[in-house]
Amino acid sequence: QVQLQESGPGLVKPSQTLSLTCTVSGDSISSSDYYWNWIRQHPGKGLEWIGYIYNSGSTYYNPSLKSRLTISVDTSKKQFSLKLTSVTAADTAVYYCARSGDKGGFAFDIWGQGTMVTVSS
Amino acid sequence: SYELTQPLSVSVALGQTARISCEGNNIGTKNVHWCQQKPGQAPVLVIYRDYNRPSGIPERFSGSNSGNTATLTISRAQAGDEADYYCHVWGGSTVVFGGGTKLTVL
Repeated sequence: QVQLQESGPGLVKPSQTLSLTCTVSGDSISSSDYYWNWIRQHPGKGLEWIGYIYNSGSTYYNPSLKSRLTISVDTSKKQFSLKLTSVTAADTAVYYCARSGDKGGFAFDIWGQGTMVTVSS
Repeated sequence: SYELTQPLSVSVALGQTARISCEGNNIGTKNVHWCQQKPGQAPVLVIYRDYNRPSGIPERFSGSNSGNTATLTISRAQAGDEADYYCHVWGGSTVVFGGGTKLTVL
């Protein structure tokens, strides 16, 4: 059974870099069948797709975040990571990692439990 | 940019049928997916590619998509179906989510 688990600091200071990691168990992160995504949810709000990494290195980002965003993968650790620079209070959110694939039409079929990140001094 | 519009809330009597709409320009030409999110929990996929159910999702959940409207239908609604429901599509350059619909089972 595939499981995803986010980890990282729960508190980040304004202007600093937010860094999160998603650990994948029960599946190969190197598989070209799947895309590995980050999605966030501002408190009390809806969902916002951040971006994905695919095929051990190809990335695609939400244009609204692209200038501050890096998604990378460490296949040996079965982890993929998110780095968001120059954060502000507007980046306070629950961050989810999720899997999607071509067979499902890019539906997010597996989600991590989410991790709350607060941007505050 | 592509936009999806959902009603803020839908109410349904216990045991009746709930329908949640997701409107977008020519959405019928896109693959629409639906996820369910209960308070304090991560979303769960309930419908993918318009009408397909992942394993473990009850047959009471169904979907359709045509023209400018996609619809999630929940038959024989149960108290456990109370949740927020989000549609989403690939909008060309990004994934687009609807604003979400809160389903209340009366």
